[in-house]
Amino acid sequence: GAVVSQHPSRVICKSGTSVKIECRSLDFQATTMFWYRQFPKQSLMLMATSNEGSKATYEQGVEKDKFLINHASLTLSTLTVTSAHPEDSSFYICGLTGQFYEQYFGPGTRLTVT
Amino acid sequence: GESVGLHLPTLSVQEGDNSIINCAYSNSASDYFIWYKQESGKGPQFIIDIRSNMDKRQGQRVTVLLNKTVKHLSLQIAATQPGDSAVYFCAETYAQGAQKLVFGQGTRLTINP
Repeated sequence: GAVVSQHPSRVICKSGTSVKIECRSLDFQATTMFWYRQFPKQSLMLMATSNEGSKATYEQGVEKDKFLINHASLTLSTLTVTSAHPEDSSFYICGLTGQFYEQYFGPGTRLTVT
Repeated sequence: GESVGLHLPTLSVQEGDNSIINCAYSNSASDYFIWYKQESGKGPQFIIDIRSNMDKRQGQRVTVLLNKTVKHLSLQIAATQPGDSAVYFCAETYAQGAQKLVFGQGTRLTINP
């Protein structure tokens, strides 16, 4: 399967600041990547689909101006949480689709906004 | 379909026993299903998948069963080991539909020594 990395694994930031999370595909060229968030004891919720070279597609209820996604290359997608608030604290996970529609996920980024 | 809840269903089994984790999916148009294992603080790990033209698929110590009539999916883990302790999620997708996955609520599996 595909190998996906995320950076950072943990980040603490102050309210009002912005945080960038990177998702890299280490061995697979991904035209499409996905960003999820996961609250404690809950399932993964898709936030947006990141498309290489074009605008991301956001799920209903996800603010595109708050969660900026850039997919500038076939191996890198970034998620920037702008003007972070404590309620943005969550576990953010990226994923990409393999050869046969299966998805592989990164190790996740734990964001804590103080 | 996508489910949000504060309490994960739990399943406790004795080490060495077999475990069965169940999942009900929502979309009758879904034609591809995946089971994931998620350990604490980590991303989901692909376990096994199955397409809708099959009703059973086996892997190493794991078997997935699909019943499209009642929209039910199960994951069987044989001879459970302590390392199997994790949260297990089923996910469904319509392969031609933007490849978006919809996750079930998850089940926490605990292996007792």
